[in-house]
Amino acid sequence: GQQLNQSPQSMFIQEGEDVSMNCTSSSIFNTWLWYKQDPGEGPVLLIALYKAGELTSNGRLTAQFGITRKDSFLNISASIPSDVGIYFCAGQLNAGNMLTFGGGTRLMVKP
Amino acid sequence: DTAVSQTPKYLVTQMGNDKSIKCEQNLGHDTMYWYKQDSKKFLKIMFSYNNKELIINETVPNRFSPKSPDKAHLNLHINSLELGDSAVYFCASSQPITYEQYFGPGTRLTVT
Repeated sequence: GQQLNQSPQSMFIQEGEDVSMNCTSSSIFNTWLWYKQDPGEGPVLLIALYKAGELTSNGRLTAQFGITRKDSFLNISASIPSDVGIYFCAGQLNAGNMLTFGGGTRLMVKP
Repeated sequence: DTAVSQTPKYLVTQMGNDKSIKCEQNLGHDTMYWYKQDSKKFLKIMFSYNNKELIINETVPNRFSPKSPDKAHLNLHINSLELGDSAVYFCASSQPITYEQYFGPGTRLTVT
């Protein structure tokens, strides 16, 4: 089946730094989603990408849908302590299909 | 105002027992899902269900079964619980025409 490789697995950064993480797939997806999970909570949708090459922003977050449709990137600018959490990428082939999740990137921000 | 809710939040039970986790969504979505998150935080789809079709991840043991009394609810029944079933279970929902899934807060299941 499809697999998503997400990297890095964890990051420990200083407040104010920019962050980049990415996901790569062994096969194509038609949609990429990025979620954030806080401790003890469910994943919360941050950004959805629907077209190859698409670049979408949500506040300090920017995500891109790779041209090959096999990868996606998430950038966080000027990180703050509340950015701490686990970030997941997820790919989907068609609407209503099951999501395939990456292994997550655990982000820690030092004030 | 909660969009996707689950009960209970925590569930501790012994091996061999049968238990259920309830999920409700007030978003008017047509499709609901169950995910399992293991201790390494890896999220894995278990079921996808709307009023027409149940899709089961082939790796899910048949001790797990989803039951939907109506479009807003998808409950998860687990029979003969095993130690390896300990995990956090998330319910999610989406509209069939979009790709965006919205998750509940999770149920932490501990089997002793």
